[in-house]
Amino acid sequence: GDSVTQMEGPVTLSEEAFLTINCTYTATGYPSLFWYVQYPGEGLQLLLKATKADDKGSNKGFEATYRKETTSFHLEKGSVQVSDSAVYFCALTHSGSARQLTFGSGTQLTVLP
Amino acid sequence: GAVVSQHPSWVICKSGTSVKIECRSLDFQATTMFWYRQFPKQSLMLMATSNEGSKATYEQGVEKDKFLINHASLTLSTLTVTSAHPEDSSFYICSALGQKHNEQFFGPGTRLTVL
Repeated sequence: GDSVTQMEGPVTLSEEAFLTINCTYTATGYPSLFWYVQYPGEGLQLLLKATKADDKGSNKGFEATYRKETTSFHLEKGSVQVSDSAVYFCALTHSGSARQLTFGSGTQLTVLP
Repeated sequence: GAVVSQHPSWVICKSGTSVKIECRSLDFQATTMFWYRQFPKQSLMLMATSNEGSKATYEQGVEKDKFLINHASLTLSTLTVTSAHPEDSSFYICSALGQKHNEQFFGPGTRLTVL
């Protein structure tokens, strides 16, 4: 079946540092890929998505590129802020309509001032 | 827009009692709602999918008699954990999908602790 593997956390960075959170997936066909963010005490929010190979999703300074050859969808941000501290989840779905999401285990990011 | 609430945000109960968790879509009609369970430092695991007015579809390994799901209206789904035991302690998260949406909107979660 489908699976998503994320780098284990927690990740601690200083403000303005470069962020990479690795995500690889195993799935048949051409899934859609997502990054969700969960701030403390809140629900998951969609951060960005990509629906086909070589697509780049971007939002709030975060980017991720759908790499089919390496089955990866790594999350990057050039300069993190304290307000980026949260848990980040990589996920995939086959349907194209966000049903049946398969999630990674989540990566806790803490950004220190 | 597209806000989903859960109530309660946390609950502590005694073993053997039943607990009801509500999930509401506040500003849209949710034709489909999903219930997830999350263990500490682990992924969200889909428990069941419910469509308004019909029976929920449970994932393999989820006991439907233990985790009762009702989706009686387009804005409300409930999860009842019956005869709860300590192993049911977990973080339960719901999400909702509207007819015109192509993404799920998540509630803030409910922390259940069974003593």
